Amino acid sequence: QQPVQSPQAVILREGEDAVINCSSSKALYSVHWYRQKHGEAPVFLMILLKGGEQKGHDKISASFNEKKQQSSLYLTASQLSYSGTYFCGTETSGGSNYKLTFGKGTLLTVNP
Amino acid sequence: NAGVTQTPKFRVLKTGQSMTLLCAQDMNHEYMYWYRQDPGMGLRLIHYSVGEGTTAKGEVPDGYNVSRLKKQNFLLGLESAAPSQTSVYFCASTTAGEAAQYFGPGTRLTVL
Repeated sequence: QQPVQSPQAVILREGEDAVINCSSSKALYSVHWYRQKHGEAPVFLMILLKGGEQKGHDKISASFNEKKQQSSLYLTASQLSYSGTYFCGTETSGGSNYKLTFGKGTLLTVNP
Repeated sequence: NAGVTQTPKFRVLKTGQSMTLLCAQDMNHEYMYWYRQDPGMGLRLIHYSVGEGTTAKGEVPDGYNVSRLKKQNFLLGLESAAPSQTSVYFCASTTAGEAAQYFGPGTRLTVL
């Protein structure tokens, strides 16, 4: 079953912040975040492992609450280059096949 | 390094025709995946492989077959194409201990 992402779409002005949520009905081993620009392939951003770890990547960070089976992606002081569709991918068992189930995506548009 | 490549980039088929999509990676990755991407549906896993000679079904395997005769190649076959298989197909690969899946550029398939 696909994880649920919210919101489906968000429009920002440059410099504003955004939060994208990913929620699963199953217990999670890890959560992966990807960004896909229009007409291109998805690109890996970061992985969150079981343990409530928060990670950062430039001004993009994420958290993982394994008890709530949720992850959130935080985009701070957004830049035009942040525009794209963000996908979370969830892994329900550790390590044997690295198989991910992706959400439907959140379309982020950053305007000047 | 070319990374992950996909052949062809575009294809138009008539209902009932067959075709094979080729995915090749030069990173010596054990794990390879085929996804389809439809508007508003995110990435859905069709089939995957954890090593040469092994394949397994993903979320949406019906109407597709795969083969992994060589470690670097993963083939996706459509025996009798249907309009419902109109989609963008992405191949991805990864290796043990690597967080990211690396995606190919995609194949846009239209079935008339």
